[in-house]
Amino acid sequence: DADVTQTPRNRITKTGKRIMLECSQTKGHDRMYWYRQDPGLGLRLIYYSFDVKDINKGEISDGYSVSRQAQAKFSLSLESAIPNQTALYFCATSDPSRQGATDTQYFGPGTRLTVL
Amino acid sequence: AQTVTQSQPEMSVQEAETVTLSCTYDTSESNYYLFWYKQPPSRQMILVIRQEAYKQQNATENRFSVNFQKAAKSFSLKISDSQLGDTAMYFCAFMKPTGNQFYFGTGTSLTVIP
Repeated sequence: DADVTQTPRNRITKTGKRIMLECSQTKGHDRMYWYRQDPGLGLRLIYYSFDVKDINKGEISDGYSVSRQAQAKFSLSLESAIPNQTALYFCATSDPSRQGATDTQYFGPGTRLTVL
Repeated sequence: AQTVTQSQPEMSVQEAETVTLSCTYDTSESNYYLFWYKQPPSRQMILVIRQEAYKQQNATENRFSVNFQKAAKSFSLKISDSQLGDTAMYFCAFMKPTGNQFYFGTGTSLTVIP
C-alpha cells in the first residue's frame, strides 16, 4: 500500500466552485506539504504544516486554504476555483529525525485538477 | 531567496550510455541539502539521490552519482548505463535545514533512446 495517498487523482470542476483535495499518510510523519506543479515552473510550495497546530504559508498561498485534521491528514481547499489554478497538485511528508539529519520529502501520486 | 536553475529543458541519451544533468543554485546558506527527484510518466515523484552540503564526498546510489561543487554552487547528476526506465523528468531541489522548505528547479526531461 502507498504511504502517501491523495484523493481524487483527477478532478474537473468549474470556475467558482469550492473544491477540496485530500492527503493521507501512513508514514507517521509530522510534517506535511502541498505543492502545485505547472509546466516549465517546477514545483512550488503552497502550504506546509509541521504538526496539527502549526500551519504556514508557502510561496503561493493566495487562493488556497488548508486544514490539518490529524497527524495523518492534510487537506487543501480552493474556496472559489479559477482557471489558472489548473495544475498538478502534490502532497508530501517528511520527518526530520534529529537536528542536522537529511530531511527527505516523500510525495503522493498527485492530483490533476482542471478548472474550466 | 533560494533559486535553483536547471538549464537543460530536454536531453536524450542512448541506452547503456552515460548522461549528466546540470543544476546550479543560489544561496547564502552554508549548510543545506540537495536532492534529485525523478518523475516518470506515472507522475510519481521519486527520490533519486541526496547530498548534504557539509559532506565533501559526492553521493552515489547504484548507477546514479552526483558531482557536488559547493564553491561553484553546482550539483550535477550523472546516470551511468542508462536504461529505458530512466526516461523521466528530473528535478533538482534545494532545502535549508531550518524551515524545511524545498525549492525546485524547472526540471530536465530525459529520454533514453533504445
